[in-house]
Amino acid sequence: AQKVTQAQTEISVVEKEDVTLDCVYETRDTTYYLFWYKQPPSGELVFLIRRNSFDEQNEISGRYSWNFQKSTSSFNFTITASQVVDSAVYFCALSGSARQLTFGSGTQLTVLP
Amino acid sequence: DGGITQSPKYLFRKEGQNVTLSCEQNLNHDAMYWYRQDPGQGLRLIYYSQIVNDFQKGDIAEGYSVSREKKESFPLTVTSAQKNPTAFYLCASSLTGVEGNQPQHFGDGTRLSIL
Repeated sequence: AQKVTQAQTEISVVEKEDVTLDCVYETRDTTYYLFWYKQPPSGELVFLIRRNSFDEQNEISGRYSWNFQKSTSSFNFTITASQVVDSAVYFCALSGSARQLTFGSGTQLTVLP
Repeated sequence: DGGITQSPKYLFRKEGQNVTLSCEQNLNHDAMYWYRQDPGQGLRLIYYSQIVNDFQKGDIAEGYSVSREKKESFPLTVTSAQKNPTAFYLCASSLTGVEGNQPQHFGDGTRLSIL
């Protein structure tokens, strides 16, 4: 069985602060994929990034960056200089040999002006 | 624009009634999925389909049924057997479902409530 844990239920920051969203996963598969999705108040999930288990390179996309560490089974997401528009629920998800996405319970991020 | 359309946005069900949620995609994706989201929780997989005329149960399929007669369409029926149907339902699709590595694209969701 696979599991994704997002221990931070809610985070509030003031605009322009940096914030890191934690994601810890469990799987017995050697090949797997990790994802981050954003769910704004409108409800639809927006795909942000995919990482495969063989690629531990960190990635940066504008104000977003991701830190993948297999040694600690973590795939953390950092937003630099947060903005009000970043306010949303963020989900980490894992896909392994079952080829089904297992989602974490999500982190509600609120960025205050 | 390509995307996934879910309808209706809000739906109310009476006791003992079956209701059907619509999901249509024009992305030419082979795989489609239905998820249920409860407040403060992640998404749980109800059913998925990797190809037309084929579908498999997810983690919480009891009380739900689906069909996949066309590539573009994957309707979900919430039957009277589902005793706690109040939730937010999300439909998704991906290019393929075989490898498990394709990002899923989501619709705007349907919020179902009991009258």
